[in-house]
Amino acid sequence: NAGVTQTPKFQVLKTGQSMTLQCAQDMNHEYMSWYRQDPGMGLRLIHYSVGAGITDQGEVPNGYNVSRSTTEDFPLRLLSAAPSQTSVYFCASSTRGGRTEAFFGQGTRLTVV
Amino acid sequence: AQKVTQAQTEISVVEKEDVTLDCVYETRDTTYYLFWYKQPPSGELVFLIRRNSFDEQNEISGRYSWNFQKSTSSFNFTITASQVVDSAVYFCALSEASRDDKIIFGKGTRLHILP
Repeated sequence: NAGVTQTPKFQVLKTGQSMTLQCAQDMNHEYMSWYRQDPGMGLRLIHYSVGAGITDQGEVPNGYNVSRSTTEDFPLRLLSAAPSQTSVYFCASSTRGGRTEAFFGQGTRLTVV
Repeated sequence: AQKVTQAQTEISVVEKEDVTLDCVYETRDTTYYLFWYKQPPSGELVFLIRRNSFDEQNEISGRYSWNFQKSTSSFNFTITASQVVDSAVYFCALSEASRDDKIIFGKGTRLHILP
């Protein structure tokens, strides 16, 4: 099983550009989420989804957009990249939200210049 | 409010020493879930343990043990006879049953095991 797959692994953007970070899982998990990891800040929840067609905001949603049209995919869109969005992004999935173990992707290192 | 505090930002110990990583949480729920994850230098996040609020039994897995105390809202993690491979960032996390969608992480503790 591939588990949770994130693409790309690395990305450099110019300020103001938009892009989509891809996340796909093949475990038929209902719950998916996006986190960003910054030095000294731990992992902060951006957006999450409890199933296809349902999304909600986490702790730091501003500047990001998500959609969940299928169970497998949960893309994260940066609408107009800013240097403050330079971070490592992790996608995660689990069977029952916060009640069960989360499986994480390998991460995407994004730099906005 | 849902909150996880890992007061130890960074810890260094010499190999074979025991080390305890502290985790203090805040929640208003009576049903909640606690987790520990490990992030080695390679960057991936590895699940270590999950505990629900009704199970206060301490757990041991090899050199790892966890002490869950509801009275002090703590879920501490001890590594016995530490090894260099234990060097990593360790995260404690909390989710509440009333909002079981959200897993909130602490800021992590960076552990250095010195040879």
